[in-house]
Amino acid sequence: GDSVTQMEGPVTLSEEAFLTINCTYTATGYPSLFWYVQYPGEGLQLLLKATKADDKGSNKGFEATYRKETTSFHLEKGSVQVSDSAVYFCALSVPQTSGSRLTFGEGTQLTVNP
Amino acid sequence: DGGITQSPKYLFRKEGQNVTLSCEQNLNHDAMYWYRQDPGQGLRLIYYSQIVNDFQKGDIAEGYSVSREKKESFPLTVTSAQKNPTAFYLCASRQNGRYSYEQYFGPGTRLTVT
Repeated sequence: GDSVTQMEGPVTLSEEAFLTINCTYTATGYPSLFWYVQYPGEGLQLLLKATKADDKGSNKGFEATYRKETTSFHLEKGSVQVSDSAVYFCALSVPQTSGSRLTFGEGTQLTVNP
Repeated sequence: DGGITQSPKYLFRKEGQNVTLSCEQNLNHDAMYWYRQDPGQGLRLIYYSQIVNDFQKGDIAEGYSVSREKKESFPLTVTSAQKNPTAFYLCASRQNGRYSYEQYFGPGTRLTVT
């Protein structure tokens, strides 16, 4: 079956540090890839997405590139802020399969200290 | 404003009682989903529906039931058969189509059963 593996957390950084959260996947078809963010007590918000190999998704200074050869979709940000503190989920969806359901990684808790 | 609403935000029930969680969307999306989130874990799919009057079991459907009588609404009932119902429940919706569109999430309902 499909699966997503994220780097173990939690991750603690100082403000303006560089962020990388690793994400690798296995999928039976050709997946679309997503990063979602969850703030405490809230639902998930889509952060960025990529639908084919070598696509780069970007939003709010975050970036991730769809690497088919390494089955990866690592999240990066050059300079994190305290407001970026949240849980980040990597997810995949294989179109037209099982209702295009999302399969999630376990999430990575990020804390950014001033 | 278009979006997904879930009510209530917090719900408390006694063991042995059925409880229904509400999910409404005005995004005109065809597909809707229910996920369960436990502390420190990713999201697991309970049920999904791609069209009105049709729904499919996800990975952890036992002890849950759903209905989809209207496009806008996808209520989830947590029955007394669910062994460990205390969790954070998230509803999502997605536009059907050839490509995998992202899912949009509601704010969630935190259910506590004692």
